[in-house]
Amino acid sequence: DQQVKQNSPSLSVQEGRISILNCDYTNSMFDYFLWYKKYPAEGPTFLISISSIKDKNEDGRFTVFLNKSAKHLSLHIVPSQPGDSAVYFCAASAIGGAQKLVFGQGTRLTINP
Amino acid sequence: EPEVTQTPSHQVTQMGQEVILRCVPISNHLYFYWYRQILGQKVEFLVSFYNNEISEKSEIFDDQFSVERPDGSNFTLKIRSTKLEDSAMYFCASSRTGDYNEQFFGPGTRLTVL
Repeated sequence: DQQVKQNSPSLSVQEGRISILNCDYTNSMFDYFLWYKKYPAEGPTFLISISSIKDKNEDGRFTVFLNKSAKHLSLHIVPSQPGDSAVYFCAASAIGGAQKLVFGQGTRLTINP
Repeated sequence: EPEVTQTPSHQVTQMGQEVILRCVPISNHLYFYWYRQILGQKVEFLVSFYNNEISEKSEIFDDQFSVERPDGSNFTLKIRSTKLEDSAMYFCASSRTGDYNEQFFGPGTRLTVL
């Protein structure tokens, strides 16, 4: 089941620079998208979400962009901080899908000082 | 800040035994979920629960699995006869409403089946 794909298993970014994490999806019924951050031995922590009626949502250092025609979303973190080092998951849900979240495989982000 | 809690943090059991994983969702949330993550794999949806009944379940959630909200605060996942392949991290989540609402996850229970 590859409905949500994160093609980069890892990403390394210099502190202070922009981190860009990407996510692709195949199911055109998806209409709500979320990004979660996960530290080892903890549960996923919600970061930011976007519904399909928008193409951008911003919250502090985090911005999510949605390109519906390309079925692609991205998470921008700027400036990147050492505490941002974690695994980032993209997730999607479909209207009427009983709120079930479908997750990508995750991207491990490492912020280098 | 309210959070989802889960107990135990780690459960070791023998194959064929029953286990019950417990969760306390955020108090004003109405929707509850269980997910699992097998080591090295994706987080997978198991079941969603609303108004005291299952809203949706995945193909993983077979007859060996059941969920219950025994009182006003707890939400449990029972596995009747555990298999080796049930070894995973199990995450409970809750959300205030259904669609277009973020789910908040607990820290997880690591289940090891020997």
